[in-house]
Amino acid sequence: EDQVTQSPEALRLQEGESSSLNCSYTVSGLRGLFWYRQDPGKGPEFLFTLYSAGEEKEKERLKATLTKKESFLHITAPKPEDSATYLCAVQAAGNTGKLIFGQGTTLQVKP
Amino acid sequence: DAGVIQSPRHEVTEMGQEVTLRCKPISGHDYLFWYRQTMMRGLELLIYFNNNVPIDDSGMPEDRFSAKMPNASFSTLKIQPSEPRDSAVYFCASSETGVNEKLFFGSGTQLSVL
Repeated sequence: EDQVTQSPEALRLQEGESSSLNCSYTVSGLRGLFWYRQDPGKGPEFLFTLYSAGEEKEKERLKATLTKKESFLHITAPKPEDSATYLCAVQAAGNTGKLIFGQGTTLQVKP
Repeated sequence: DAGVIQSPRHEVTEMGQEVTLRCKPISGHDYLFWYRQTMMRGLELLIYFNNNVPIDDSGMPEDRFSAKMPNASFSTLKIQPSEPRDSAVYFCASSETGVNEKLFFGSGTQLSVL
């Protein structure tokens, strides 16, 4: 069964304190791995798509990396506005359109 | 474009009542998805459509749930009769092609069944 597990469930950082979020996945052939950001009371907002092991993508203070079993979202020198829930999702080969989401990591960055 | 539009934003109803959630996808997007989000189970895919045709409804919990997409700009998710365990945030999302495409989510409908 396709599965996505994220850790930790919650993370508290001081402003400027870099860290990483983990997304472990089990899928029968990976078509793509997605990272989303969700703010309270809003729908998830797309951040990145990764397609193959070794691939990396960056956006401002965020960098996503991918291996054959997991993905990391690295946050460098975070700011309070980076506080949100970060969701990881996978799309399996042969499952056009269908994403399986992890439970998310809730990040709080204190000034 | 205004993005994916969902209504209502909040719905409070009593057990046994019929609930209808509405969604307008982004114009030109061929795929429409209905997700449900709870603390316990996270984001779960209920059903998705391609060009107005239901493709996968394996996530629909039971026969009390039904979804329709009568045209490219409108979809409904109906629960009849509603139960307290249906309380959740229901999201609608759309994408252009559905293959390695990012989803655009609406703001969701917070449903409370008393």
